[in-house]
Amino acid sequence: IAGITQAPTSQILAAGRRMTLRCTQDMRHNAMYWYRQDLGLGLRLIHYSNTAGTTGKGEVPDGYSVSRANTDDFPLTLASAVPSQTSVYFCASSRAGTGSNTGELFFGEGSRLTVL
Amino acid sequence: KNEVEQSPQNLTAQEGEFITINCSYSVGISALHWLQQHPGGGIVSLFMLSSGKKKHGRLIATINIQEKHSSLHITASHPRDSAVYICAVRGNTDKLIFGTGTRLQVFP
Repeated sequence: IAGITQAPTSQILAAGRRMTLRCTQDMRHNAMYWYRQDLGLGLRLIHYSNTAGTTGKGEVPDGYSVSRANTDDFPLTLASAVPSQTSVYFCASSRAGTGSNTGELFFGEGSRLTVL
Repeated sequence: KNEVEQSPQNLTAQEGEFITINCSYSVGISALHWLQQHPGGGIVSLFMLSSGKKKHGRLIATINIQEKHSSLHITASHPRDSAVYICAVRGNTDKLIFGTGTRLQVFP
């Protein structure tokens, strides 16, 4: 693994199904994020984690949950998918703290999710 | 009004042209990011800056904190520069706010 990896890259699922998008990074970054990207809108934050063991809600958290059991992994779960959750999902990470090099963002390749 | 506004929304250019993409924001920030997203592709960080100017190859990013404005310049543009360029600001609460992006197409 080099950088940040998301899986699956694409998924179609029926409404009401449970779905987990996986995100793994090998850069030992403290901070991780899940965004969704929809046409005509900027990236919107779903959930974030500043460090292992802690998570927080972003702008659009409803219908999603996350966990951060360790530094490397930050899965995003849709407990019961709805069509409005059709989107492209990006996981990102950054080093936390102070200093000129902290805060640079690294993104995964994205997961395209279609809920029918 | 969005807190981060980019202009133009769409931009076409001939290969070799000098390109400028603008980003204005209305909140206090600790840093500003420029990101690049190729069609169907992932998102790559180009610059993170909090003052002045940064240069990487043919790309130059500037920021004016007083005017709450940043520009991304591409010199000697090439078709491979065709992508969506996204401005994002990190607010003083550490929250990231994204612009909606500028779609650039460079024709040979």
